[in-house]
Amino acid sequence: EAQVTQNPRYLITVTGKKLTVTCSQNMNHEYMSWYRQDPGLGLRQIYYSMNVEVTDKGDVPEGYKVSRKEKRNFPLILESPSPNQTSLYFCASSIRDGYGYTFGSGTRLTVV
Amino acid sequence: QQPVQSPQAVILREGEDAVINCSSSKALYSVHWYRQKHGEAPVFLMILLKGGEQKGHDKISASFNEKKQQSSLYLTASQLSYSGTYFCGTVSYGGSQGNLIFGKGTKLSVKP
Repeated sequence: EAQVTQNPRYLITVTGKKLTVTCSQNMNHEYMSWYRQDPGLGLRQIYYSMNVEVTDKGDVPEGYKVSRKEKRNFPLILESPSPNQTSLYFCASSIRDGYGYTFGSGTRLTVV
Repeated sequence: QQPVQSPQAVILREGEDAVINCSSSKALYSVHWYRQKHGEAPVFLMILLKGGEQKGHDKISASFNEKKQQSSLYLTASQLSYSGTYFCGTVSYGGSQGNLIFGKGTKLSVKP
């Protein structure tokens, strides 16, 4: 089944403890992106990638890192999480320019 | 800059029509439309590329006025299943194709 898989679905962590949220797609998509969703703010783009080793900042990149070493994977790294990074995170992928995105199921992160 | 969606919320009775607008301060290359049901991931509805085209499937259609930097989503003869939050996403001319920016969303509630 064609899909975008995020793990974990839920995560509670403490301030400062490094964590990684994984994202994998099995559709050979070129474009991948990370968004965070907060009430009243919509979906805000954190980072995106247009191909292997090609990444760029979105609107809210502070406190996050990404890498794209393989086409299928696009992990989101929080080196030192803070409570203001508590949010619902979505990974999404698209085959290329001019096509829609497929979203993963989301990761609900709580930083205490 | 996030595109601006209006209205923020709308309540309909089954069978009524609705229009959701999306406006950008930047020249646009494409406009995406997604629907998100409560507790789920956004789902792609359609994409409109430059040229003022109108697209649709079933009773949901959309238009894109490139000159006005606006798009509208039309829902006709609404059904209960249309309930959810609708997001427009925009890709700007001259920007990166992976930089898909979403509006804050329009919450649509369809009542029996």
